[in-house]
Amino acid sequence: QVPLQESGPGLVKPSQTLSLTCTVSGGFSRRGGYYWSWVRQLPGKGLEWIGYIYYGGNIRYNPSLQSRVTIAIDASKSQFSLRLSSATAADTAVYYCVRDSGGPLLGKGMDVWGQGTTVTVSS
Amino acid sequence: QPVLTQPPSTSGTPGQSVTISCSGSSSNIANNNVYWYQQLPGTAPKVLIYRNNQRPSGVPDRFSGSKSGTSASLAIRGLRSEDEADYYCASWDDSLSGLVFGTGTKVSVL
Repeated sequence: QVPLQESGPGLVKPSQTLSLTCTVSGGFSRRGGYYWSWVRQLPGKGLEWIGYIYYGGNIRYNPSLQSRVTIAIDASKSQFSLRLSSATAADTAVYYCVRDSGGPLLGKGMDVWGQGTTVTVSS
Repeated sequence: QPVLTQPPSTSGTPGQSVTISCSGSSSNIANNNVYWYQQLPGTAPKVLIYRNNQRPSGVPDRFSGSKSGTSASLAIRGLRSEDEADYYCASWDDSLSGLVFGTGTKVSVL
């Protein structure tokens, strides 16, 4: 069983909302101390943190994307999601869902990654 | 302007040691933990170092991390062909209130 698996459209039209879902094998636990994150990698470029959600309500977004991003958890489906509104070609990237054990300040790092899904924004 | 700066590339022959630098500022590296990630070609990144110098289980002790002031370093000792990858540092930035990644360094094994 793949620990984290991204799913969603591989092609999004400009100005539409990019929506991805990450299925978490084993579900969520309040005792896990995990921060469920999204990271993207633009073509041929480095990594960019999009944001995280902590099962308990704490949510943080990359300030450069904050006005367009929403990350949410659906515990009943063992999923967390990413929505990026008003997509442009600049949002074309490989999107990874990631488990961060303990958070980006004091934790043990992003220790589980999905395989990544390529999203192209084009008409 | 990148927040965390790394050299674009470095290289070495098998058995050699290489060091990758990560230059930041008082709002990130100086006051927060540094993490290092290895991304092999065509794969998702993997955490190599957490909290500046800690290795997850399974990561060889050939990899070591350190931090001093506003800079951090990743050292690879006894370079092997399978170490050929992109390496990224990461740290929380208090001014941005967000996680920032370094610009990435491509390590080539000659």
